[in-house]
Amino acid sequence: GAGVSQSPRYKVAKRGQDVALRCDPISGHVSLFWYQQALGQGPEFLTYFQNEAQLDKSGLPSDRFFAERPEGSVSTLKIQRTQQEDSAVYLCASSLAGAVYSNQPQHFGDGTRLSIL
Amino acid sequence: AQSVTQLDSHVSVSEGTPVLLRCNYSSSYSPSLFWYVQHPNKGLQLLLKYTSAATLVKGINGFEAEFKKSETSFHLTKPSAHMSDAAEYFCVVSDRYKIIFGKGTRLHILP
Repeated sequence: GAGVSQSPRYKVAKRGQDVALRCDPISGHVSLFWYQQALGQGPEFLTYFQNEAQLDKSGLPSDRFFAERPEGSVSTLKIQRTQQEDSAVYLCASSLAGAVYSNQPQHFGDGTRLSIL
Repeated sequence: AQSVTQLDSHVSVSEGTPVLLRCNYSSSYSPSLFWYVQHPNKGLQLLLKYTSAATLVKGINGFEAEFKKSETSFHLTKPSAHMSDAAEYFCVVSDRYKIIFGKGTRLHILP
């Protein structure tokens, strides 16, 4: 289909390892968002891209978290030296609009469930 | 400060009866408001959105929501629940500076 695709769906890593999570947004979508969803909670904003520019990274919980979108399409969220508290579902969403917090709806992927042992 | 509060963490209704999921918000700016639904192990799907047009918003699958500025509310309703409506529902407020999700309401449908 033409929806947002995230990979892997599940990732298990040992504490201290680095992980990389991939997001393929809908083709032509300008905006891309990453969220962290802890068990039983709502998604929490991590970072936002407009094309290749990372315009807001205020939600990244520490400097171990890094996101990029070098060509304005696919994005990667990298977590270095993972900790147990990083265990969560990481959701990616894309939107056609170019405005940051616009009234355009976001289209979500199914998420990557990250478990840190 | 911007915030969103979903007043019930769990709601149980019988199949065929009305659904009411409550959401209150605060925002310093004219916000856009959304309801999303999340089925297990799935991403979020947009149900409906309010963007300063009509205050009664119709969405997919028979859901509606009414924006009441005086009450700062955006409650989600459906006249008749279906088993397939069992899921987690999120109220979202978005303005010029932030986007915030509520903590979610889990809807249980009793046969």
